[in-house]
Amino acid sequence: EPEVTQTPSHQVTQMGQEVILRCVPISNHLYFYWYRQILGQKVEFLVSFYNNEISEKSEIFDDQFSVERPDGSNFTLKIRSTKLEDSAMYFCASIPGTGLIGYTFGSGTRLTVV
Amino acid sequence: GENVEQHPSTLSVQEGDSAVIKCTYSDSASNYFPWYKQELGKRPQLIIDIRSNVGEKKDQRIAVTLNKTAKHFSLHITETQPEDSAVYFCAASKTSYDKVIFGPGTSLSVIP
Repeated sequence: EPEVTQTPSHQVTQMGQEVILRCVPISNHLYFYWYRQILGQKVEFLVSFYNNEISEKSEIFDDQFSVERPDGSNFTLKIRSTKLEDSAMYFCASIPGTGLIGYTFGSGTRLTVV
Repeated sequence: GENVEQHPSTLSVQEGDSAVIKCTYSDSASNYFPWYKQELGKRPQLIIDIRSNVGEKKDQRIAVTLNKTAKHFSLHITETQPEDSAVYFCAASKTSYDKVIFGPGTSLSVIP
């Protein structure tokens, strides 16, 4: 079964440093998303991406965040200057163009800001 | 914006019994309601979804019901098994392409 792949699985970074989280969506999927989950809490929407541009972003997704699809396969989330409260599990998700199938989530990147 | 509430926050049932999780949503424009199961330390996995043109959907031991008028939807798991133990999230969105707003989750424990 096709999978959404995320790297790294765990990233520890110093406060104020930049991090890039990487995702490889399923190859024929057209819609891409980033969500985050603070430990023990619900999953929160960050941003959606379609046709090489942001479709929608939440209030969490401020100027410190950016997304990119630098090539035909990778989908990245960059946090420019990490804060302690950015510590969370970050999930990438994708769906095919038909919209008949719900999200397939990646295995996640656990980001720890120290 | 959309707000999804979920009850109960924790649920403990004996193996073989049924479990019911209830959710409400606020945005009448929501038309797509997925349910996710998340085991400890793992990704959310879609287990069933329902669209607003359908009132009920069943897949083996899992069923979902939707009352659009009341903005309620529910997950029913019958003949529960220990491997059903996980956190279950209900969610809502306008379409299956749009952002999904998650409920706070229900931690289900199935006692052997």
